[in-house]
Amino acid sequence: QTVVTQEPSLSVSPGGTVTLTCGLSSGSVSASHHPIWFQQTPGQAPRTLIYSINTRSSGVPDRFSGSIVGNKAALTITGAQADDDSHYYCGLHMGSGIDWVFGGGTKLTVL
Amino acid sequence: QVQLQESGPGLVKPSETLSLTCTVSGYSISSESYWEWIRQPPGKGLEWIGSVSHSGSTSYNSSLKSRVTISLDTSKNHFSLKLTSVTAADTAVYYCARGLNWEIEYWSQGTLVSVSP
Repeated sequence: QTVVTQEPSLSVSPGGTVTLTCGLSSGSVSASHHPIWFQQTPGQAPRTLIYSINTRSSGVPDRFSGSIVGNKAALTITGAQADDDSHYYCGLHMGSGIDWVFGGGTKLTVL
Repeated sequence: QVQLQESGPGLVKPSETLSLTCTVSGYSISSESYWEWIRQPPGKGLEWIGSVSHSGSTSYNSSLKSRVTISLDTSKNHFSLKLTSVTAADTAVYYCARGLNWEIEYWSQGTLVSVSP
């Protein structure tokens, strides 16, 4: 069974830079997985930030960027702001008929 | 602007069938797209349930496949989720969403479905 891994929690200082990662329990993340990143605040629906590795969704500020680093997908927040304090989920597309598998999420604290 | 809105019972009894409908406005469900169902148990992460394409092709999470059916109703511009033989583990906020070109861009607000006697 495919498991997508994320750091359970991370912290960053206001104005700082932080990188969240998204990996596979077995194997490497590649472009063919079309990594996607969501932000979710309590009581709200997820908001898509990044798709297909590094494409920002409409209206997403450019302090959010995506990449593949080593064998994982990565979401980097540059110049973190207080309202970036949220849960972040990644998803990987595992192919036709299987489609998306999501990670368990990272709770990012800005303090 | 594309908008999605779920409808259906907020309470389902164990062993019964959970049924939800997602009505889409601002976009035809017959146009190129994937229509997704995603859920989130209270306090937990997201789980992809399955999807139906604009042409009616379906894909399901392997862990739910034996209990899930997703279908399109183009006449009403909505798509539906049926999950049979529910248990307390199926209690979650259920979201519907639109996928296109690897982006899940539009999400519904989510609806809590509780499984309880």
